[in-house]
Amino acid sequence: KAGVTQTPRYLIKTRGQQVTLSCSPISGHRSVSWYQQTPGQGLQFLFEYFSETQRNKGNFPGRFSGRQFSNSRSEMNVSTLELGDSALYLCASSLAGAGFSPLHFGNGTRLTVT
Amino acid sequence: GEDVEQSLFLSVREGDSSVINCTYTDSSSTYLYWYKQEPGAGLQLLTYIFSNMDMKQDQRLTVLLNKKDKHLSLRIADTQTGDSAIYFCALNAGNNRKLIWGLGTSLAVNP
Repeated sequence: KAGVTQTPRYLIKTRGQQVTLSCSPISGHRSVSWYQQTPGQGLQFLFEYFSETQRNKGNFPGRFSGRQFSNSRSEMNVSTLELGDSALYLCASSLAGAGFSPLHFGNGTRLTVT
Repeated sequence: GEDVEQSLFLSVREGDSSVINCTYTDSSSTYLYWYKQEPGAGLQLLTYIFSNMDMKQDQRLTVLLNKKDKHLSLRIADTQTGDSAIYFCALNAGNNRKLIWGLGTSLAVNP
């Protein structure tokens, strides 16, 4: 079975721009969660989608948004980028949702904002 | 609120056993996980334990759960240089069953 695929692997953007990250979950998994990882803050939960509905949300500003499609693929969008948004963005899929079945992570998208 | 704590660093010699510890506050957790992250990669699920278990063994990995003390540990037997990585514990907590993560323990294995 193919694992979780995140694209692109690396992104360099300028302050004020917007960015869209993509995640394809493991086949059959209906839940996709997104995390931001930075050296100082560790893993910060952004949101979780299950069957196209947002199930949980972390404490991030409205500039961070996401969606999930009917094939369970998910996208995350960050608008009006700030320098502090530079991070590794990780996507994880699970069968029954985070908290109910294990998360399986992709290799992440490394976003650098200049 | 819910909290998970781990020591930040651990250094061991190749061939020794490593023990990575995690303490938590939410006693209602049902799943407790260990993940490994190598440089430049995502998190890899190593193992997990249900809250109704005290111990789980999987090849070189042994997970111990002490519910009374809210303490979870991961023992790696015969630690190899390839085990050098950051290890995260995580558990589901709260009514919304969110995952709560520790900050990770950086394991350095010295030859």
